[in-house]
Amino acid sequence: DQQVKQNSPSLSVQEGRISILNCDYTNSMFDYFLWYKKYPAEGPTFLISISSIKDKNEDGRFTVFLNKSAKHLSLHIVPSQPGDSAVYFCAASGKAAGNKLTFGGGTRVLVKP
Amino acid sequence: GAGVSQTPSNKVTEKGKYVELRCDPISGHTALYWYRQSLGQGPEFLIYFQGTGAADDSGLPNDRFFAVRPEGSVSTLKIQRTERGDSAVYLCASSRLAGARGELFFGEGSRLTVL
Repeated sequence: DQQVKQNSPSLSVQEGRISILNCDYTNSMFDYFLWYKKYPAEGPTFLISISSIKDKNEDGRFTVFLNKSAKHLSLHIVPSQPGDSAVYFCAASGKAAGNKLTFGGGTRVLVKP
Repeated sequence: GAGVSQTPSNKVTEKGKYVELRCDPISGHTALYWYRQSLGQGPEFLIYFQGTGAADDSGLPNDRFFAVRPEGSVSTLKIQRTERGDSAVYLCASSRLAGARGELFFGEGSRLTVL
């Protein structure tokens, strides 16, 4: 069973507009959430994270929102740039699991110039 | 080097052969993780080490898969009697401490193709 789900496999957005990526989880023991970005033939690179004690974390153009009651998080990228075109993975971990991450299936984002 | 290094970057083998994939973590990182990523899917956890010992190997799919980290630095993932379904990108990651919350730093992966 998939504990972390990204229901949109792909997203296309115009340069300068907002990209919104969504992620749902089922395991109530998850208390730390991360977003990773992956370019072809490269490993995933860390983008932004959020602890369950917060509902929002912002870093430049990237903001992550967490809704614990809905077990849902989202990543907002604004404004989107062509260099943001990549696959984005949502990941989660729980205290008992150390730093072991459970990943979603990814969302491919294409930012059109 | 500054980042996580994985070798080989590409490995093509025949069904039934034995394969070793190597990971050199970031210096000073005590935790090391192996993940497997199949086409169109997210990385799937295999095993993680805290120092030399495997702290959690619950993701290894069966006993054909084994990993070691004898000196607490470099790790080797070993796959015996490879099957076509083992074809995937094998990702290694490291972090400072397994118990500390924070990001994992990933290598570029080893792409394994079993013919």
